Amino acid sequence: AQSVTQLDSQVPVFEEAPVELRCNYSSSVSVYLFWYVQYPNQGLQLLLKYLSGSTLVKGINGFEAEFNKSQTSFHLRKPSVHISDTAEYFCAVSSGKAAGNKLTFGGGTRVLVKP
Amino acid sequence: DTEVTQTPKHLVMGMTNKKSLKCEQHMGHRAMYWYKQKAKKPPELMFVYSYEKLSINESVPSRFSPECPNSSLLNLHLHALQPEDSALYLCASSQDLRERSYEQYFGPGTRLTVT
Repeated sequence: AQSVTQLDSQVPVFEEAPVELRCNYSSSVSVYLFWYVQYPNQGLQLLLKYLSGSTLVKGINGFEAEFNKSQTSFHLRKPSVHISDTAEYFCAVSSGKAAGNKLTFGGGTRVLVKP
Repeated sequence: DTEVTQTPKHLVMGMTNKKSLKCEQHMGHRAMYWYKQKAKKPPELMFVYSYEKLSINESVPSRFSPECPNSSLLNLHLHALQPEDSALYLCASSQDLRERSYEQYFGPGTRLTVT
């Protein structure tokens, strides 16, 4: 079984400040990790993914994440946020074809960027 | 084109009605998914189709009936729903379930209200 914990349900941050969203996972098999963003009244958009290789992953809109196998973490960072980054962020894990590519999501982190 | 489209955007139905949600993708993806998302919660997987065949049913009540008429289309037929079924229904697609884990592309969702 796999699970995902997002440690912060809400993160208020000032515009142009850095932000880090924390994600820890548990899985008994190899994992593939994803961060998705959901803007109000919209679907989910993929920010970045870790499948294999380099543990530092760069995504869209200036986001990056670091896979840490020993700490079972996949934290998301952005050095300088904009008002438009206000959204819900979901960390997700998949065990690949063995589990039908099922995505298990964390509870989400709501980021509110203040001017 | 990385777009998944869903119709309708909004749907209000009574508990005795029959309605259908539609999802379409033209990315050549062979896996398609239905998710249910309640307010302020992460998406929850309902069904997975691989090569037009149902591969995962997450113990969803029979009042939800999925259908995959071809590789580009996915429908969700609704009948005798309950008010607690009100939610955002998200469709997603990915390249293939048989190889490595591929990212899922989500549509904008259908917001369903059951009265």
